[in-house]
Amino acid sequence: AAGVIQSPRHLIKEKRETATLKCYPIPRHDTVYWYQQGPGQDPQFLISFYEKMQSDKGSIPDRFSAQQFSDYHSELNMSSLELGDSALYFCASSPPLGGGIYEQYFGPGTRLTVT
Amino acid sequence: GENVEQHPSTLSVQEGDSAVIKCTYSDSASNYFPWYKQELGKRPQLIIDIRSNVGEKKDQRIAVTLNKTAKHFSLHITETQPEDSAVYFCAASIKNKLIFGAGTRLAVHP
Repeated sequence: AAGVIQSPRHLIKEKRETATLKCYPIPRHDTVYWYQQGPGQDPQFLISFYEKMQSDKGSIPDRFSAQQFSDYHSELNMSSLELGDSALYFCASSPPLGGGIYEQYFGPGTRLTVT
Repeated sequence: GENVEQHPSTLSVQEGDSAVIKCTYSDSASNYFPWYKQELGKRPQLIIDIRSNVGEKKDQRIAVTLNKTAKHFSLHITETQPEDSAVYFCAASIKNKLIFGAGTRLAVHP
């Protein structure tokens, strides 16, 4: 079965640089989520999109922005990178189940290292 | 605010024993409670979930229970195997986002 695709899988950037992470949801999934996971920590919700509109926002820094495109893929743009941004970034997608139920399936993640 | 507490943070069992992980949540509006298994450096994998209108759900060696009144839910793994060793996260759905517990590192010793 098709899974969530993320690219790149690994990314090394220097402080103050910018980075763009891409996510391709499972076909027919209409909601995309972004999470940040630091070492030894639980995933922290950043932002989500439903049908190309932002649906919820979590602890996403102002330096980060994201969008979902007409083909449902999503991009997380990160600017003025800081050492503390080094983490695993996961994208997840969920199918239209209704009833407020959102089964989220995670992609393999992008490991971002800021030096 | 929205919060999910998870206990214990680490759990060590012998192969064949049972393991129980417990979570509590704060937002009474939560209606969906998934459990994820995460191996080192890999993605969280959805292993089982329970909805607010159900008290218990079982899938082979894994079962989840939910007490909505007490805002508690638990993961039960029976007949544990070494390949069950991983970090397990509970989560509660708030609107359309997941709030995760801090995770339980389960070690199953042969």
